[in-house]
Amino acid sequence: GENVEQHPSTLSVQEGDSAVIKCTYSDSASNYFPWYKQELGKRPQLIIDIRSNVGEKKDQRIAVTLNKTAKHFSLHITETQPEDSAVYFCAAHQETSGSRLTFGEGTQLTVNP
Amino acid sequence: NAGVTQTPKFQVLKTGQSMTLQCAQDMNHNSMYWYRQDPGMGLRLIYYSASEGTTDKGEVPNGYNVSRLNKREFSLRLESAAPSQTSVYFCASSEKSGGATDTQYFGPGTRLTVL
Repeated sequence: GENVEQHPSTLSVQEGDSAVIKCTYSDSASNYFPWYKQELGKRPQLIIDIRSNVGEKKDQRIAVTLNKTAKHFSLHITETQPEDSAVYFCAAHQETSGSRLTFGEGTQLTVNP
Repeated sequence: NAGVTQTPKFQVLKTGQSMTLQCAQDMNHNSMYWYRQDPGMGLRLIYYSASEGTTDKGEVPNGYNVSRLNKREFSLRLESAAPSQTSVYFCASSEKSGGATDTQYFGPGTRLTVL
């Protein structure tokens, strides 16, 4: 089945700096890659996603890049703010053995004022 | 429009007890999911229902059963709870039928402790 690895597990940045979180996946047939943000004690919420026919997608300060050849994708947050502090999860859509998402283990991002 | 709701919010069980976690969505979504979240392990899929009337095993189905009662409701049952099932349980739903390639909307979670 699909295996998704996420790095780093923790990331601390200064306010205004950029943050990058990377994920790799194992199933070359995976075709959908969402990112979810989970604030402390809250539910996960989708912040951005990318499909396999696109190499990059941006939404204001957030961008995601996808390298299908290398089977990795990354989340980029620019001009970080304290409210960006949360756990971020990447996921890959596994279709070959049941259509479902496989999540990475999460990255705790802390933005220091 | 409440989105995805879950009951209860907290529960403490003794080993061997049974319980059912309830989930409902009012967005007319076709697919529903149950995940468990443990520290350092992300979200792991227990069971999912790609459409009303169907259910399938996810990554960690052992010790659980599910029922897609109707389009709105998807329940998770623990027949004989074990300490290893101590976790936070999230229900989610998505609009598409038979696929996980659209936004999943999560409920607020149920924090379960098994003593």
